[in-house]
Order: sequence, then structure tokens, then C-alpha cells
Amino acid sequence: DQQVKQNSPSLSVQEGRISILNCDYTNSMFDYFLWYKKYPAEGPTFLISISSIKDKNEDGRFTVFLNKSAKHLSLHIVPSQPGDSAVYFCAASVYGSGNTGKLIFGQGTTLQVKP
Amino acid sequence: DVKVTQSSRYLVKRTGEKVFLECVQDMDHENMFWYRQDPGLGLRLIYFSYDVKMKEKGDIPEGYSVSREKKERFSLILESASTNQTSMYLCASSYDLWGEEGRNQPQHFGDGTRLSIL
Repeated sequence: DQQVKQNSPSLSVQEGRISILNCDYTNSMFDYFLWYKKYPAEGPTFLISISSIKDKNEDGRFTVFLNKSAKHLSLHIVPSQPGDSAVYFCAASVYGSGNTGKLIFGQGTTLQVKP
Repeated sequence: DVKVTQSSRYLVKRTGEKVFLECVQDMDHENMFWYRQDPGLGLRLIYFSYDVKMKEKGDIPEGYSVSREKKERFSLILESASTNQTSMYLCASSYDLWGEEGRNQPQHFGDGTRLSIL
């Protein structure tokens, strides 16, 4: 049973426009959410996170929004750049374990930003 | 910068062989993890370790074992390799910090080992 779901396998966006990547989860015990970015032939790298006590976290061009009632989070990239083209994984962790404990990952969304 | 090094980028083995995947980190992290990445399934946790000689099963431990004899090294063992274990294997490490401090310490990943079982 997939507890963290990224229902869009791929997304294509024009350079300069907004990219919105979505993620849904089913386990109400998740209290911390993260986004990782992965280039081909490299390991995932941490991008941004959000605690369940917040509904928004911003870091430069990247903003993560959390809607707890809908069990939904999204990653916004504004403006999108060709270098953002990668696979993006949403992940969640169980209460109290922060980012150091067990993470549950989604299937990933491949973002292509066209010049 | 944190460095997580996986011993092989590509590996080809035969069914029934015992396969060892090695991972070393240089940041004195307490926690280490093994994941596999498959198309359409994302990253799935196989095993993790929060201290030397300690291990816990992840979501898909069947057919695998692990060893952590030293803090910096975490090995994944395929006891008798099968074709359904063909996958990308990713090792990660992190500090063992709880609460708010832990939230700001991400897991750091190696570049992966692409394992093919023939």
C-alpha cells in the first residue's frame, strides 16, 4: 500500500514559468515532509522540507505547501530553469523521528523544463 | 561536504550468487540506510542502522541482510541473488538527532549501484 503518492509521473514546463509538483499521503501519523531532487546517475539530494505545524516553507525559488486536511503537499518552483530538470521525490516521516528516521518516498515525478 | 561512497557504480552478477554492496560515509553519521529504486515505485527502504551492530528492517527486507561492524561502513548482502533484485541500490546516512534539530539534518545519499542479476 503506497502511503505517499505522486500521481503524475512526468511534468513539462516552459522556462520561466511555474512548476507545481504534487504529492498525497494517507498516513495521518506523518508529521514531517521533504522533497528530494535526483539527477540521472547521481543520488537524491535534499531540497526543502516542512513540518506539519506549518502550512508553507519557502527557500529561494522553491516553496512547499502543506494541506493537512487534504493530506496533500505541493512543491512550487518559480521561475523554472532548465537546470531544474530532474526527478523529484516527495517523502514523509513518522512523528518524532524527524528527518533522521525512516522516510517513506513517493514514486517520483520527472520534471522537464524546456528552454 | 558529506561524502557517501558506494563501492561500485555498476555490478553484474548471476542468480544464486552472494552479492555484497558496500557503503562508506565520512561524516561520523549514526544512521545509515539502504534503499532500492525501481521505476514507478520510488525509493523503498530495505534496512537501516542507527548504531554499530544495530539494524532494523525496512519495508522490503526479504532476500537481504546487512552488516555494520564499523560506524562508517554499512554493507548490504544479497544472500542468494535473484533476477527480481535487479535494481538501483542507494545508500544514505544521517545524524541521529531528534526533534527540531533532527529535522534540519537531511539524509545524504550516495550515487547508487546499478545491479543486474542475470
